[in-house]
Amino acid sequence: SYELTQPPSVSVSPGQTASITCSGDKLGDKYVCWYQQKPGQSPVLVIYEDRKRPSGIPERFSGSNSGNTATLTISGTQAMDEADYYCQAWDSGTGVFGGGTKLTVL
Amino acid sequence: QVQLQESGPGLVKPSETLSLTCTVSGGSISSYYWSWIRQPPGKGLEWIGYIYYSGSTNYNPSLKSRVTISVDTSTNQFSLKLSSVNAADTAVYYCARAGWEEVAQGKNRFDPWGQGTLVTVSS
Repeated sequence: SYELTQPPSVSVSPGQTASITCSGDKLGDKYVCWYQQKPGQSPVLVIYEDRKRPSGIPERFSGSNSGNTATLTISGTQAMDEADYYCQAWDSGTGVFGGGTKLTVL
Repeated sequence: QVQLQESGPGLVKPSETLSLTCTVSGGSISSYYWSWIRQPPGKGLEWIGYIYYSGSTNYNPSLKSRVTISVDTSTNQFSLKLSSVNAADTAVYYCARAGWEEVAQGKNRFDPWGQGTLVTVSS
């Protein structure tokens, strides 16, 4: 079965740029979504089709996908961005999530 | 805007069947794909399966033998049944809209999500 791998944790200082990676075999040939989940809340879509932002998502969130790695980049990270982030893709009609990355802003 | 709400028992006994319903409000269930996703306490997200409003389905291979997802367009609801549950099925279960594009294109995104409901498997 297809697997997506994320680092368990990433730390960033306020105002700096955070990068969260998601790796999978030939991931660049697929579309990747990213979801943000804060404690006790449902996940929220922040990036779809590799790099598109839903309405209401701040411009500091951006995405890219090439080769075997997709990346979620948060520019000018704010304390409110501290959360778990999950990448997701489809493989042969089956939904697949990465294991999640805890972003700490300190 | 579209809102989703999960409902069902919060406690299920081992070996029994877990049954949940997702009610869609603020929009029609037609013309979209709909999914169930779960999250064990303190762990990551796991896709369970999807249903198209017409009734076609696809399930996570790891759960396929135990899962059934159905839809009722007359009530704007879709449902999940998971049979022969055990403690490993204890999780928060979310329903989510999964887009309108053909899934084979790979563009489908989960948005929006319901608030989630915790189901505990215990005797």
